[in-house]
Amino acid sequence: DAGVTQSPTHLIKTRGQQVTLRCSPISGHKSVSWYQQVLGQGPQFIFQYYEKEERGRGNFPDRFSARQFPNYSSELNVNALLLGDSALYLCASSLSPGQGKNYGYTFGSGTRLTVV
Amino acid sequence: QKEVEQDPGPLSVPEGAIVSLNCTYSNSAFQYFMWYRQYSRKGPELLMYTYSSGNKEDGRFTAQVDKSSKYISLFIRDSQPSDSATYLCAMRAYSGAGSYQLTFGKGTKLSVIP
Repeated sequence: DAGVTQSPTHLIKTRGQQVTLRCSPISGHKSVSWYQQVLGQGPQFIFQYYEKEERGRGNFPDRFSARQFPNYSSELNVNALLLGDSALYLCASSLSPGQGKNYGYTFGSGTRLTVV
Repeated sequence: QKEVEQDPGPLSVPEGAIVSLNCTYSNSAFQYFMWYRQYSRKGPELLMYTYSSGNKEDGRFTAQVDKSSKYISLFIRDSQPSDSATYLCAMRAYSGAGSYQLTFGKGTKLSVIP
């Protein structure tokens, strides 16, 4: 079975630009969460989606937005990029928000975003 | 004070050693406690999860939770060079409106020297 798929794997953007990151969850999983991992830190929660609806949002500015599609894939959009947005962006999938494998979630390998 | 505190290390041990990794937390709403392993340039991989206070063993790994002290540990026995990675503790709480989120520690970078 395919795991969580994220694209692109790497991305370089200029300050002020906009970026879209994509995630395909494990087949059958209906919930997707996004996390930001800055170098040397643990992942930080950005969004959780379930059945195409936003169920939770972390402490991130409105420049960050996301959506989930009918096939349960998801996009994370970041507008007006700042240098501090440089990070590994991780997508995690689960059957439902509270029913991840062993109560955790299955993560993808992430998209490494560099803002210059 | 951060909700989850974890010593980032780095921690370097000889092959075969017992490794002890720890996290403390302040939020009593955390219900599930997990340990993830993250290799360089990869996403976190779930190693262990626990719910109640006590020990849980899986092969060379033992997870320990002490809710009264708000302290969790991961022990790795007979450590191998392939265990070299960053270990992240994570805790899950219900955050309302049907949402659950994980709060991670900073991660401890472990190197097992052959």
